[in-house]
Amino acid sequence: DGGITQSPKYLFRKEGQNVTLSCEQNLNHDAMYWYRQDPGQGLRLIYYSQIVNDFQKGDIAEGYSVSREKKESFPLTVTSAQKNPTAFYLCASSGLSDSSNQPQHFGDGTRLSIL
Amino acid sequence: AQSVSQHNHHVILSEAASLELGCNYSYGGTVNLFWYVQYPGQHLQLLLKYFSGDPLVKGIKGFEAEFIKSKFSFNLRKPSVQWSDTAEYFCAVNPTGTASKLTFGTGTRLQVTL
Repeated sequence: DGGITQSPKYLFRKEGQNVTLSCEQNLNHDAMYWYRQDPGQGLRLIYYSQIVNDFQKGDIAEGYSVSREKKESFPLTVTSAQKNPTAFYLCASSGLSDSSNQPQHFGDGTRLSIL
Repeated sequence: AQSVSQHNHHVILSEAASLELGCNYSYGGTVNLFWYVQYPGQHLQLLLKYFSGDPLVKGIKGFEAEFIKSKFSFNLRKPSVQWSDTAEYFCAVNPTGTASKLTFGTGTRLQVTL
């Protein structure tokens, strides 16, 4: 079954610690995205990547970093600079990165909490 | 930059009632419009989408939405809701030609009672 796998499902971070959230897709999609979901705020775009070795900041990139070394993988690092990291993180992918009408497919999410 | 407004934050309906969830966007150019649904404990999935053509689009599970360009709206409707429609619904938009960089609304939580 093709899809998007996010791991872990739950993650706890200590103050001052960086953590990395994994996102893997086997849909052969060009574009991948990271969103943050907070109650009452919907989804906000953190970073997105349209091709390998290239990525762009979204609306709330501060305190986060990404890499796109392989087409199928788009890990997100939540750094210690992110002052309010507790949230639900969603990864998504879509085909044909230069086409705006491709719907996005979402993973099951990772819930990050601060200890 | 574009923005999306969903005015209903929490809607409670009885089974068989009709549903209409509002979605308005702000952007001066041509857009693609989407409704996504998130059932409890499940991942976000596409309900329906509008790119061009007939402004009335039909999606899965009996949902439909109408794009009214003059009102910048893309309201979601269903004639008769079921208990299994209990979920959170998100409207999203992206300008055409900007890859799939979506802007989401804040979501509407729908609770259907038996």
